[in-house]
Amino acid sequence: NAGVTQTPKFRILKIGQSMTLQCTQDMNHNYMYWYRQDPGMGLKLIYYSVGAGITDKGEVPNGYNVSRSTTEDFPLRLELAAPSQTSVYFCASSWGRQETQYFGPGTRLLVL
Amino acid sequence: DAKTTQPTSMDCAEGRAANLPCNHSTISGNEYVYWYRQIHSQGPQYIIHGLKNNETNEMASLIITEDRKSSTLILPHATLRDTAVYYCTKTGANNLFFGTGTRLTVIP
Repeated sequence: NAGVTQTPKFRILKIGQSMTLQCTQDMNHNYMYWYRQDPGMGLKLIYYSVGAGITDKGEVPNGYNVSRSTTEDFPLRLELAAPSQTSVYFCASSWGRQETQYFGPGTRLLVL
Repeated sequence: DAKTTQPTSMDCAEGRAANLPCNHSTISGNEYVYWYRQIHSQGPQYIIHGLKNNETNEMASLIITEDRKSSTLILPHATLRDTAVYYCTKTGANNLFFGTGTRLTVIP
């Protein structure tokens, strides 16, 4: 059981470039989440999904898009990267709304 | 707006109990209190959770007040490996609300 995996671990983007952060879980969890963590701060929810085909915005969704075509995968798309998107991105999953969230190792993104 | 309050930082001597407090300005009857910790820049790791009653597992104990607005995470015998940022959260509509947490430093 790998749990929640994220790729890449680290990436440098130029302003205006696009990229997709990958997230996969092998626990058959219904719920998946994307958070960002700025230096010295807590986590802020970007988007979440309650099941395949269903996604919704979190606290800070601007500049990001998501899709959930399978139970296992929940990619996060950055269009037109901006320096303000420099952060560490964490993906998480859980069985249900009130259940324990399991986090991936994170993707560190630097936009220059 | 609902607010979660935790001390910014705490120190604890190795081998002693670490008691980390948390306050929620509001909490609904069906919202669980969860504690996670984050070591360095790794992904947060689940510690313990509870609804009304006090809870204990192999990692920690959780004390929840009767009005449920306050909780205390207890690490009974802190070790150097417990140095981390500890987040107290509550389950919201579909996510967890993370504050800035408490940075616990265990001192040899």
